[in-house]
Amino acid sequence: KQEVTQIPAALSVPEGENLVLNCSFTDSAIYNLQWFRQDPGKGLTSLLLIQSSQREQTSGRLNASLDKSSGRSTLYIAASQPGDSATYLCAVFNGANSKLTFGKGITLSVRP
Amino acid sequence: GAGVSQSPSNKVTEKGKDVELRCDPISGHTALYWYRQSLGQGLEFLIYFQGNSAPDKSGLPSDRFSAERTGGSVSTLTIQRTQQEDSAVYLCASSLMPRANTGELFFGEGSRLTVL
Repeated sequence: KQEVTQIPAALSVPEGENLVLNCSFTDSAIYNLQWFRQDPGKGLTSLLLIQSSQREQTSGRLNASLDKSSGRSTLYIAASQPGDSATYLCAVFNGANSKLTFGKGITLSVRP
Repeated sequence: GAGVSQSPSNKVTEKGKDVELRCDPISGHTALYWYRQSLGQGLEFLIYFQGNSAPDKSGLPSDRFSAERTGGSVSTLTIQRTQQEDSAVYLCASSLMPRANTGELFFGEGSRLTVL
């Protein structure tokens, strides 16, 4: 059974800091990995998707990496801003059962 | 609309009543997913549809929960005889056929269910 872990559960940083959010998963037979953002009371917004054959994806100030063999992914946020404050969830997609398994998320607070 | 649409956005009901939650996926998306997000918990997989069929119903918490999808489009999640522990946000997502595309999931805003 796939398990996805995100530690720590919460993180507070000052504005402007570069930061890394970690995600680990137990079953490396994944199809892809997605990072989502969730604002309070809202649905999930897809940030980045990395296919199993890829090592990283970039979008603006965000960079996500994937090391499938070690079961790890990181989301790098450059020059953090207060507007980046949200919960960030990592999810892995197992193509065999078409199921997306989520971590519990990291709640990020960027202080002005 | 361009995104996944869910209704109602909020539902308050009394214990023992039945509720129906609706999901309208992105046009052309053949795969549809239901997840549940309880306070302080992660997202819990409920059920997945490919077209109108549900290959995986393993996540439904009990036989009070059922879901259907018609015309390869709209899906309804029905909870019978609601209990207080059913209170959660129910999220729907859709994607193109997973194996033929990136498998990227797009989520709706969710339906917040409160059982009194």
